[in-house]
Amino acid sequence: EAQVTQNPRYLITVTGKKLTVTCSQNMNHEYMSWYRQDPGLGLRQIYYSMNVEVTDKGDVPEGYKVSRKEKRNFPLILESPSPNQTSLYFCASSAREYTEAFFGQGTRLTVV
Amino acid sequence: GDSVTQMEGPVTLSEEAFLTINCTYTATGYPSLFWYVQYPGEGLQLLLKATKADDKGSNKGFEATYRKETTSFHLEKGSVQVSDSAVYFCALSDRAGGGNKLTFGTGTQLKVEL
Repeated sequence: EAQVTQNPRYLITVTGKKLTVTCSQNMNHEYMSWYRQDPGLGLRQIYYSMNVEVTDKGDVPEGYKVSRKEKRNFPLILESPSPNQTSLYFCASSAREYTEAFFGQGTRLTVV
Repeated sequence: GDSVTQMEGPVTLSEEAFLTINCTYTATGYPSLFWYVQYPGEGLQLLLKATKADDKGSNKGFEATYRKETTSFHLEKGSVQVSDSAVYFCALSDRAGGGNKLTFGTGTQLKVEL
């Protein structure tokens, strides 16, 4: 089954404790992105990747890092999480540029 | 920059009622348009799409027509069911906007009651 898998689904952490949210896709897609979803704001892109070792900032990259060492994986790293990063995070992948994306199930992160 | 505006929710309808969720957009270039649906506790699923003016996207009884003259992509369904209760997002992808991203509206929650 074609899918984008994120882990964990739920995470509660404390301010400043580094964390990683993993994302993996099995569709051999070139393009992957991270979004955060906040009430009243819709989804906003954090980072995206066009291929292995090629990443770029989205609209809200501050406080986040990403890496793309393998085509299928695109982890999101919060090196020093803060409460304003409490949000619902989605990983997405797409076969081509500027086309529809396939989304993971989401990771609900709470930073206290 | 690019933006998408959707009608505020929640929208509450009785089963078998007609549904319209309005969506308008601004874009630098000539975007592709999408509707995504998010069921409770799940990720976003593509509902339908349209890539050029006057295209009609359709799926599961839902339809939307790409109207370039009014910069709109309204979602419609003739007879909603309880199982259609979800949050609906209008989105665009614009090559001229850069960033290989989808620009989303804020979402419209639909509740369908018996």
